[in-house]
Amino acid sequence: GQQLNQSPQSMFIQEGEDVSMNCTSSSIFNTWLWYKQDPGEGPVLLIALYKAGELTSNGRLTAQFGITRKDSFLNISASIPSDVGIYFCAGLSTSGTYKYIFGTGTRLKVLA
Amino acid sequence: DAGVIQSPRHEVTEMGQEVTLRCKPISGHDYLFWYRQTMMRGLELLIYFNNNVPIDDSGMPEDRFSAKMPNASFSTLKIQPSEPRDSAVYFCATTTGGTFGSGTRLTVV
Repeated sequence: GQQLNQSPQSMFIQEGEDVSMNCTSSSIFNTWLWYKQDPGEGPVLLIALYKAGELTSNGRLTAQFGITRKDSFLNISASIPSDVGIYFCAGLSTSGTYKYIFGTGTRLKVLA
Repeated sequence: DAGVIQSPRHEVTEMGQEVTLRCKPISGHDYLFWYRQTMMRGLELLIYFNNNVPIDDSGMPEDRFSAKMPNASFSTLKIQPSEPRDSAVYFCATTTGGTFGSGTRLTVV
C-alpha cells in the first residue's frame, strides 16, 4: 500500500535538544495527523492539522501543515527521555472518506 | 473510559487455522477502523465502519479476510484460512483517526 515518506528514519539526540522531522507526499492532503507509538502499544494521536499553513502546538510539540499541502513538520522542543518512540504522520487526501495513509515512521532515541 | 479494547493481545496459530480478532470500541464513537502493522508495509488501513456499516474495505488484502460489526460495541476481524504472511500487529481504532487499541500481535506458524 501507499506510504508517506518520513525523514529522518531514525535519530539519536541528547536530552534537552530540539527535534525536527517531516513528512512528504507526492499528492495534496487535506488533513495531517501526527502520532507517537511506544513499544507494544497502539499509536497515540498528538496533533491534528486541517488547513494549509496551520501551526498547532501541544505542549513541547509543534506541528505545521505545509503551504503546498504536500508536507507536514513536527518539532519537539527540549526533548526528555520519555519522548523516545516512533513518530508517525498520517494524511488524508480525499474528502468524504477517512482512508488515512501513514508515513514510514521516525524512530527517536534520547540519550540522557 | 477504558479506551479501545482488543483481544487477544497475542495469538499464535498454525497455518490454515481460522483466527478471530476482537475489538470493543469506545462508547459513542461512530467510526471504527481496522489496521495492520508490519515492518515491511507499515500501518495499513484494512477496513472502516461508520455506524456499524462497512464504508471502505479496499484495504482488505484477500477474501480470506472478513470484518463485521454486528453492533456499536463490538467488531471482529477474521482470517480464514490463516497464512504465515498474515503475521502482523492488528489494531482497532475509533473516531476519525483518534484512538487506537493496544493491538493484537498475530503469529502464524
